[in-house]
Amino acid sequence: DGGITQSPKYLFRKEGQNVTLSCEQNLNHDAMYWYRQDPGQGLRLIYYSQIVNDFQKGDIAEGYSVSREKKESFPLTVTSAQKNPTAFYLCASSIGQGLVQGQFFGPGTRLTVL
Amino acid sequence: QKEVEQNSGPLSVPEGAIASLNCTYSDRGSQSFFWYRQYSGKSPELIMFIYSNGDKEDGRFTAQLNKASQYVSLLIRDSQPSDSATYLCAGAWGNTPLVFGKGTRLSVIA
Repeated sequence: DGGITQSPKYLFRKEGQNVTLSCEQNLNHDAMYWYRQDPGQGLRLIYYSQIVNDFQKGDIAEGYSVSREKKESFPLTVTSAQKNPTAFYLCASSIGQGLVQGQFFGPGTRLTVL
Repeated sequence: QKEVEQNSGPLSVPEGAIASLNCTYSDRGSQSFFWYRQYSGKSPELIMFIYSNGDKEDGRFTAQLNKASQYVSLLIRDSQPSDSATYLCAGAWGNTPLVFGKGTRLSVIA
């Protein structure tokens, strides 16, 4: 089955720890994205990547880092510099920038800071 | 600044009625629009897209685009309790990521 997978589904982090969220897609999509969603809020773009080995900051990149070494994978690291990381994290992908077919989302990772 | 605006709701409709969800956008340069449905605790699911003026129908869903007035709407006919969710509107402008509205919460009352 083609799709986007994210792991883990739930993640608990102690204050001061870095954690990495996984995102993998087998749709052969060029572009990948990371969003953050807080309760009752919309989607906020963290980082996006249009091609391998290239990525751009979104609206709320501070405290996060990414890499794009493979077309299929776009992991997100939440660093200790992110002061309020508890949120629902969504990875998405699209053909190009999604102008024609839109973006498709993975199931999400719910991160809680203890 | 490209923005997509939605009324947060909640919008409550009785079962079997037509639910009308609306979205306005700030920049006429948008080429296409997308509607996503997000159930509580789940990720958004793409349900419709439209890029030409007018209506586009898919089953119980109709998307409407009016570029002159800069609004997009989603009509859900014969609303069911299973349609209760948050609906996100998103616009595409050139070679940049989609711009999402904050979503409208729909509640279909049985």
